[in-house]
Amino acid sequence: DQQVKQNSPSLSVQEGRISILNCDYTNSMFDYFLWYKKYPAEGPTFLISISSIKDKNEDGRFTVFLNKSAKHLSLHIVPSQPGDSAVYFCAAQASGTYKYIFGTGTRLKVLA
Amino acid sequence: ETGVTQTPRHLVMGMTNKKSLKCEQHLGHNAMYWYKQSAKKPLELMFVYSLEERVENNSVPSRFSPECPNSSHLFLHLHTLQPEDSALYLCASSRNRGRDQPQHFGDGTRLSIL
Repeated sequence: DQQVKQNSPSLSVQEGRISILNCDYTNSMFDYFLWYKKYPAEGPTFLISISSIKDKNEDGRFTVFLNKSAKHLSLHIVPSQPGDSAVYFCAAQASGTYKYIFGTGTRLKVLA
Repeated sequence: ETGVTQTPRHLVMGMTNKKSLKCEQHLGHNAMYWYKQSAKKPLELMFVYSLEERVENNSVPSRFSPECPNSSHLFLHLHTLQPEDSALYLCASSRNRGRDQPQHFGDGTRLSIL
């Protein structure tokens, strides 16, 4: 049973608009979350993280929101650029562990 | 430069062959990881090494044999693999095995078993 779910396999957004990628989790022990971006033929690249003591973390065009009561996090990219077209993975880490549990990814396509 | 280099990038092998995947990290990290990514599945953690000591073997079949001779190098030795082992194998490293440590990934080895 998947503990980290990315229910949208793909998303298309117009350049300049906001991209919102979603991630749901089931394990209430998760307290640290990350987003990775992956281009074809490359490994995942760390993008942004958030600890459960926060509900928002911002880095330039990227903002991650955490809703602990809903067990939901989202990544907002604004404004979206064609270079943002990639697969985005969310990952979660439970309290007291070092393992990350990954989602299956969402493919974002930003249209010029 | 990714900081984590994996070779080869692609590997095709028969079920009776023996081959090795190599990973090298240039980040001064103390923890290294092997992951498997199959189509439409999440990344699966296979092995974890911390300061060259294996600390995790995630129920991986013995036909996969890891080796970590030093904190910069990690190998995955393969023998008598099965077709279902065809996947992307990713190596990653982190500063240590502790909490809140983002992992840095290599570009992976795409493995195909004939």
